[in-house]
Amino acid sequence: RKEVEQDPGPFNVPEGATVAFNCTYSNSASQSFFWYRQDCRKEPKLLMSVYSSGNEDGRFTAQLNRASQYISLLIRDSKLSDSATYLCVVKHNFNKFYFGSGTKLNVKP
Amino acid sequence: NAGVTQTPKFRILKIGQSMTLQCAQDMNHNYMYWYRQDPGMGLKLIYYSVGAGITDKGEVPNGYNVSRSTTEDFPLRLELAAPSQTSVYFCASSYSGLDQETQYFGPGTRLLVL
Repeated sequence: RKEVEQDPGPFNVPEGATVAFNCTYSNSASQSFFWYRQDCRKEPKLLMSVYSSGNEDGRFTAQLNRASQYISLLIRDSKLSDSATYLCVVKHNFNKFYFGSGTKLNVKP
Repeated sequence: NAGVTQTPKFRILKIGQSMTLQCAQDMNHNYMYWYRQDPGMGLKLIYYSVGAGITDKGEVPNGYNVSRSTTEDFPLRLELAAPSQTSVYFCASSYSGLDQETQYFGPGTRLLVL
């Protein structure tokens, strides 16, 4: 079983739409959770950390459900510049990070 | 700060050749990592280091070696290159503090083994 599973998409949405991505992880002892963004042929960059109480950064909201081992990312008012692949990342102890395969988002005019 | 730098950007190897991928960071981070990313896939951890002189295996270490003689540098060595090692290789670093850690990635090295 994969450590981190994501729907690969693609999600094709119009500008201004709200879109949500989900991610599940298999290790209940996972310590930290993140969403990274990766543009085509570029390195991943941290979008936001995910906290147990849920957290928001502008148009982005992340939620964590430890009981269900489930992480979500909500993007409101999508922009063309949001088009990218979104990677769900889970950290175990000793700083071992596990990446999902990513969910591709295409925002269209 | 240059952040995390990687060289080369792109390389073609023949089967059986060897090479070293270079990675350096100037942020005084104690943790460093090597990942590979195959097309359409997530990143898989090859090796990581928690500090100078200390390295450990990740998910996919076979066919690779690393060393960490300084805080700044974390080279990845490929011996006897195989077509299965065709991939994009990313180096990353992070600082292990009390709060959640952010990884900073280099721009990647694209490797083609023919």
